[in-house]
Order: sequence, then C-alpha cells, then structure tokens
Amino acid sequence: DADVTQTPRNRITKTGKRIMLECSQTKGHDRMYWYRQDPGLGLRLIYYSFDVKDINKGEISDGYSVSRQAQAKFSLSLESAIPNQTALYFCATGPGGMDEQYFGPGTRLTVT
Amino acid sequence: SQQGEEDPQALSIQEGENATMNCSYKTSINNLQWYRQNSGRGLVHLILIRSNEREKHSGRLRVTLDTSKKSSSLLITASRAADTASYFCATDALLDSSYKLIFGSGTRLLVRP
Repeated sequence: DADVTQTPRNRITKTGKRIMLECSQTKGHDRMYWYRQDPGLGLRLIYYSFDVKDINKGEISDGYSVSRQAQAKFSLSLESAIPNQTALYFCATGPGGMDEQYFGPGTRLTVT
Repeated sequence: SQQGEEDPQALSIQEGENATMNCSYKTSINNLQWYRQNSGRGLVHLILIRSNEREKHSGRLRVTLDTSKKSSSLLITASRAADTASYFCATDALLDSSYKLIFGSGTRLLVRP
C-alpha cells in the first residue's frame, strides 16, 4: 500500500462549489503539507501542519482552508472554487522542514 | 518567490548518454534535494546533499554542490528511457520561523530509445 494516499485522484467541479481533497499517510510523520502545481511550474506550498494543533499558511493560502483531523489525515478545502484553482494538488509528509518529503499521487482538479 | 531555478528547462538525449541538470539558488541553505516526477504523478525523492558536502552518489546519480556559487548539478549516467521525467531541485528556506522546502520549476528530461 502507498505511504501517502489522496482522494479523489481526479475531480471536475463548477465555479462556486465547495470541494474537499483528502490525504492520509502511514509514514508516522507529524508534518504534513499541501502543494499546488501548475503546468510547467514547480510546487508551491499552500498550507502545512506540524501536528494536529499546529496549522500554518504557506505561500499561496488565499482561497483555501485545511483541517488536520488526526496525525495521519490532512484535508484541503476550496470553499468556493474558481477557475484559476485548476491545478494538480499534492499532499506530502516528512519528518522535518529540511528533510526528505514523501508525496501522494496527486489530485487533478479542474474548475469550470 | 522561487529559491531554486533549474537549467535547462528541457533536455532531450539518446538512451545511453549522460544527462546533466543544474540548479541555482539565492540564499544560504542547509541542504539541497533532488526529486523526480513522472508525468502527472507525485514527486519521488532522489537524493539529499548537505551544505558541508560537495558530491554525493546514488546508483547512476551523481550530485554536486558548490555553495560558493550557490549551485548544484544532477548527473544521470547511462540514461534509460525510464529516466524520462521532470527533475526538481528543492532547497530549504526559513519562512515564518520554520524551515520549508522551496521547489524550482524543474527540468523536463526526454530520453529517446
């Protein structure tokens, strides 16, 4: 089984809809991250969490919210989706801020 | 803002040739990492090199780090079609009192059979 799983893998939604992307990990790490990738670009950090009670905004948090339900679960929500949120979203986990990160397979989100 | 920038943006080589990708960064780092991404998939960690190291090997991968020039290179020797992927460097940056990884925009490598 994969160390980091994401659901759904693909989603098409309409402008204004609320959508939640879910992430689970079995690595046992405290730190979890949500990234966004646009075509031809690297990853940009949306939110990160160091433990269940510690959630922080990343580089591009506007329009997004997160919930850390347990050490192993970290979900990302778009409260009111807009077309420029169409992107590939990745969840990751790792032992520390400077250490190797383990990525999920990604969720391809299209907002029409 | 991006800490790391890869060069070239795209690289096409014949199977069996070596592939070299470069990464430049702007501020001091503790370590630098390289990741591979197959099309539309998650990133996979390849190698981490610390700021006090100059060279590191892992199988067919060789990474160098020159902190005086703020640059790193990834060499893939004897390339295979399966090496076709995008390669990203990631550096640590202190943001809001904690370290985060900042990713470059990547090098797209095509290995022709």
